[in-house]
This record gives sequence, C-alpha cells and structure tokens, in this order.
Amino acid sequence: DAGITQSPRHKVTETGTPVTLRCHQTENHRYMYWYRQDPGHGLRLIHYSYGVKDTDKGEVSDGYSVSRSKTEDFLLTLESATSSQTSVYFCAISDLARVNTGELFFGEGSRLTVL
Amino acid sequence: GNSVTQMEGPVTLSEEAFLTINCTYTATGYPSLFWYVQYPGEGLQLLLKATKADDKGSNKGFEATYRKETTSFHLEKGSVQVSDSAVYFCALASGSARQLTFGSGTQLTVLP
Repeated sequence: DAGITQSPRHKVTETGTPVTLRCHQTENHRYMYWYRQDPGHGLRLIHYSYGVKDTDKGEVSDGYSVSRSKTEDFLLTLESATSSQTSVYFCAISDLARVNTGELFFGEGSRLTVL
Repeated sequence: GNSVTQMEGPVTLSEEAFLTINCTYTATGYPSLFWYVQYPGEGLQLLLKATKADDKGSNKGFEATYRKETTSFHLEKGSVQVSDSAVYFCALASGSARQLTFGSGTQLTVLP
C-alpha cells in the first residue's frame, strides 16, 4: 500500500472556524490531490499540486486553499468553514509515470462535519 | 468538458450472480478509462484500467472493455462474491494535468 496518511480522520467544527487537513506521504510522489466525496456527486477535485509550491485549482476550489512547502505534505485549509463543506475529504498521490495514465493512490479519508 | 455517467444504484445481488455496472463518458481527445473500488471505511483503489479503444482491463475477475464507438466502459463480473460489496466508481483521465473525472459511484451489495 502507498504510504499516505491523512489527519485528522474525523473532525467536527462550527461554522466560521478555520480548519486544516493534512496529507502526508512517504512515497516521494510529485503529484498530490485533494478531493471531496459527496452522495450523488462521486469525487470532485478541489486542488492539486504538481510539485513543491506548485498548485492549481480543481473543479470545486471556492472556499478552499492549499499549500505544499515540502514534497511529503499537502495541506488543505478551509479559512471559514460552512455547512456546505461537510464532506469526506480524500487525499491522493501519483508519480510521473502513473499520472499520465491517471492512476492515483488514495488515503483513507477525513470526515469533516461543520455544524 | 469531461463527464462520466454511471448507472444509479444501489445494486443488490445474490452471491454468484452476474454483475454489470454501466458507464458512459464524454471527453475530448483520447482519454484513459478506469474503474476504482471503495470498500467500506477505506479510500479508493484502482480496480482496472484501459488506455485506448478496444482495450480490455481486467482484475480480480472483473473486466471492462473500452468502447470508443459507444463511449462506454461497462464493468462486468461473471460471479460476484459477498466480498465484492463496495462502491464502484468509473473515471476518465484526460487533459494536460491528467486529472481524473469521476462518476457518482454505484453501491453494490452482495447477499450470501
């Protein structure tokens, strides 16, 4: 199994508070992704990174920011959480050889509830 | 833009039944196609893939054929087991960053 650790795995917070989710990998993969999973929508891409300090927006990036200061860590921040951001968040990684065929390795997910 | 449409679930089958989960796609260019599986409480994992037209991906008794003429990538298994109970996602990869576009997922429950 690919070495991907997401933290926290579960979090309950209140509307308006900041939240940061962390994705840590031990595979030295170049590409890292944050997806959210919601019923009826499958997985939707929030942001992704193609190298240290290199990030780009995905399909549903509004209300989220990311940072990648080193290869192994990719942080997802909700500056002011809203109830619509209640979801399960998945981190994924890929290397240069696999990304061209779209093969990703996923973490176990972080369940966020915004009250 | 790219999109993936999967048959709606949930799907409930008896053990040893035949499984088909339909998937159709819309994409520019020549995408790669995937089926990912998510077991309860876990992240997604790649089940099989096909990178060009007429390719057949297969793994663990599952198979899917990339049909460009019908823009489809249906998942099949001849005899399902209880352990196959999971959510199945069809996906495609296209574009310069090779971002994946996922379908909405199909919940499969196999009863003993």
